[in-house]
Amino acid sequence: QKEVEQNSGPLSVPEGAIASLNCTYSDRGSQSFFWYRQYSGKSPELIMFIYSNGDKEDGRFTAQLNKASQYVSLLIRDSQPSDSATYLCAVLGFQKLVFGTGTRLLVSP
Amino acid sequence: DGGITQSPKYLFRKEGQNVTLSCEQNLNHDAMYWYRQDPGQGLRLIYYSQIVNDFQKGDIAEGYSVSREKKESFPLTVTSAQKNPTAFYLCASSGHSSGRNTGELFFGEGSRLTVL
Repeated sequence: QKEVEQNSGPLSVPEGAIASLNCTYSDRGSQSFFWYRQYSGKSPELIMFIYSNGDKEDGRFTAQLNKASQYVSLLIRDSQPSDSATYLCAVLGFQKLVFGTGTRLLVSP
Repeated sequence: DGGITQSPKYLFRKEGQNVTLSCEQNLNHDAMYWYRQDPGQGLRLIYYSQIVNDFQKGDIAEGYSVSREKKESFPLTVTSAQKNPTAFYLCASSGHSSGRNTGELFFGEGSRLTVL
């Protein structure tokens, strides 16, 4: 079992829709969770982090964490073509981040 | 501006040659990391360093070496022992809060290595 799992996609949504990206993790003791966005050929950039169960909102982005189910998600409201990218879920282990393989999101105009 | 600088951006190497990728940061971060990214495989950790003069192997350290002689610098050498070195290499750094790694990584622009 991989430590952090994501569906590779692509996830295709029309402009203006809600995109839902999901991630599961295996280490039940994990405390910190991150979402990075990576455009093709570029380096990842942090867009959200969440430490506590529940929802955390930042603009059009909402991160959701359910530690009992070992599940993290990222919702993107009013999706724009500029949101088209690969979204990497990451979980903080001992001294290092463990990344999932990423979900490719395609937002069509 | 504060940030992480990687060089070169593109590098071509013949089989059997060692190459060194540079990574410099002026964010005053203690921790630095090297990741490798292959298509469809996400980021895999090669080496990391929490403090000057100390570093640890990541998940795929074989065929690579690093040094951390200065806080600002964490160069990666891809040796001839690395069987499949063609990849996108990313350097990152992170700060600490109350002595603990925050997990918030700042990445350089990456170095794309191609072995001919």
